[in-house]
Amino acid sequence: QVQLKESGPGLVQPSQTLSLTCTVSGLSLTSNSVSWIRQPPGKGLEWMGVIWSNGGTDYNSAIKFRLSISRDTSRSQVFLRMNSLQTEDTAMYFCARYYRDGYGPNWYFDFWGPGTMVTVSS
Amino acid sequence: DIQMTQSPSLLSASVGDRVTLSCNASQNIYKYLNWYQQKLGEAPKLLIYYTYTLQTGIPSRFSGSGSGTDFTLTISSLQPEDVATYYCYQYNSGPTFGAGTKLELK
Repeated sequence: QVQLKESGPGLVQPSQTLSLTCTVSGLSLTSNSVSWIRQPPGKGLEWMGVIWSNGGTDYNSAIKFRLSISRDTSRSQVFLRMNSLQTEDTAMYFCARYYRDGYGPNWYFDFWGPGTMVTVSS
Repeated sequence: DIQMTQSPSLLSASVGDRVTLSCNASQNIYKYLNWYQQKLGEAPKLLIYYTYTLQTGIPSRFSGSGSGTDFTLTISSLQPEDVATYYCYQYNSGPTFGAGTKLELK
């Protein structure tokens, strides 16, 4: 079955760079797209970006200059790197499969990882 | 960027009630809207995609409607397990989530 699992450092110092890994199983990254979504404590969801099945990427315009998403298809892993971290980047970070149902307009996040909490603090 | 406004932000209802949650887009998003349910401490779960299509395994008491800028999620008969926060999500352009509606039992 399809599974995703995020991993990361837990604690990052302000101004440093965050590196997260999403390890997927039950699907191929060459035919599936994966997004990163984050959620600050007690707040709503924010779409961060996507790496498409063809390896192309799109990012949230509010953070695109700090964010990079890449992948290693042989290891079934998707990576997030975000620089210049501030306390407002403290959040639960989720990866999710971004799936297109057939050839129509149906795109959705159907499988999610459990999330990894990142705290930005000195 | 397209802004998504959900109302109310908090809704209290009783078991068996018909519940309606609203989501308004700042510009036309046609029907490119999904609904997610998030229970405390869990990842969000897909309920409805493309405005009205029920995801596999989701109870039929959930339904979605709307088009353009105004959308609703309806629960026909509220159950205790429906206590959660509900998010709308538009994917017409520059994908964005609404701020959520927290649904609690009265």
